[in-house]
Amino acid sequence: DAGVTQSPTHLIKTRGQHVTLRCSPISGHKSVSWYQQVLGQGPQFIFQYYEKEERGRGNFPDRFSARQFPNYSSELNVNALLLGDSALYLCASSPDFGQFFGPGTRLTVL
Amino acid sequence: GNSVTQMEGPVTLSEEAFLTINCTYTATGYPSLFWYVQYPGEGLQLLLKATKADDKGSNKGFEATYRKETTSFHLEKGSVQVSDSAVYFCALSPHNAGNNRKLIWGLGTSLAVNP
Repeated sequence: DAGVTQSPTHLIKTRGQHVTLRCSPISGHKSVSWYQQVLGQGPQFIFQYYEKEERGRGNFPDRFSARQFPNYSSELNVNALLLGDSALYLCASSPDFGQFFGPGTRLTVL
Repeated sequence: GNSVTQMEGPVTLSEEAFLTINCTYTATGYPSLFWYVQYPGEGLQLLLKATKADDKGSNKGFEATYRKETTSFHLEKGSVQVSDSAVYFCALSPHNAGNNRKLIWGLGTSLAVNP
């Protein structure tokens, strides 16, 4: 079975640009969560979606937005990129307890 | 609020040594508890979990027991290998109604195992 997939794997942007990251959950999983992991730290929760509705939001500015599609895949959008947005962005899907993570998208903002 | 505290790393051990990584938590109700592992250059992998008090999660020789009386979920392995070198994260999922399953994470503990 395919795990959680994310695209792209790596991305380089400049300050002020916007970025769209994509995630496909494990088949049958209806919940998708997004996390930001800065180098050397634990993941920080950004959003959770379940059945296309936002069910949780972390302490991130409005520059961060997300959505979930009818097939349960998801996009994370970040506008007006800052240097501090450089991080590994992780997507996780969930059937119930615990979450299964994708490999992440490494975003570098120059 | 909910929080997770892990012992600070890095932890350096010789192969076949005993490993303990301490994790304590603060939460209301009865959270679910997890250990995740992140190997160098890779994403997070669920290592083990426990969903109620006195449950023991185990996988790949690692174990952790959900201790409500001490609000702890310490990770242990009897004999570590070089291939266990990674960063280990303790996490909890709050006890909420509905489908809000966000995870709250510790800062991670880096383990290096030398041959």
